[in-house]
Amino acid sequence: EAGVTQFPSHSVIEKGQTVTLRCDPISGHDNLYWYRRVMGKEIKFLLHFVKESKQDESGMPNNRFLAERTGGTYSTLKVQPAELEDSGVYFCASRGGVAGDRTDTQYFGPGTRLTVL
Amino acid sequence: AQSVTQLGSHVSVSEGALVLLRCNYSSSVPPYLFWYVQYPNQGLQLLLKYTSAATLVKGINGFEAEFKKSETSFHLTKPSAHMSDAAEYFCAVTRPFGNEKLTFGTGTRLTIIP
Repeated sequence: EAGVTQFPSHSVIEKGQTVTLRCDPISGHDNLYWYRRVMGKEIKFLLHFVKESKQDESGMPNNRFLAERTGGTYSTLKVQPAELEDSGVYFCASRGGVAGDRTDTQYFGPGTRLTVL
Repeated sequence: AQSVTQLGSHVSVSEGALVLLRCNYSSSVPPYLFWYVQYPNQGLQLLLKYTSAATLVKGINGFEAEFKKSETSFHLTKPSAHMSDAAEYFCAVTRPFGNEKLTFGTGTRLTIIP
């Protein structure tokens, strides 16, 4: 069974440009999460999809970030325009199982390292 | 609000020695607790989790952790370190009800000395 995949693995862009990150969850997983780790700090929650619906987007930093999950399969996270403080590693995770069961494991992808110059 | 504190951003132990990675949590409700490990160029992998059953939890690769409510701790241990244990370790907490998000500590990078 394939794990969670993320693309690209690295992205270097200039301030003001746009970047789109992609996450492919484990097949059949309805729950998809985005997290971010800024250098030297903790991994922080950004948002949670259940199928194609945003269940919780309380961690999204501002309106420069737009997440979508059309069709309830893969998800994209767009940053437009990118700022220096957006640099970090963006992780995606997916979870199957019963809705709301927090004992289920969230499976993480390898992350996308974003550098904004 | 919930939070996690991992004492020691870097820990070094000799091969064969005890591994002890510290995690303290803060939570207004009984928490669920997790340890994840990240090997180079890989995603976070679940080592073990506490979900209000046995307080001593055994995970993969010989790791275990004990939930101590009185100390608000969930320290990770392994009796004998192996070179392959070199990685970054993250402690995380979530609530049994409400928001599903994981709240992570800042991580501890474990180095194994040959």
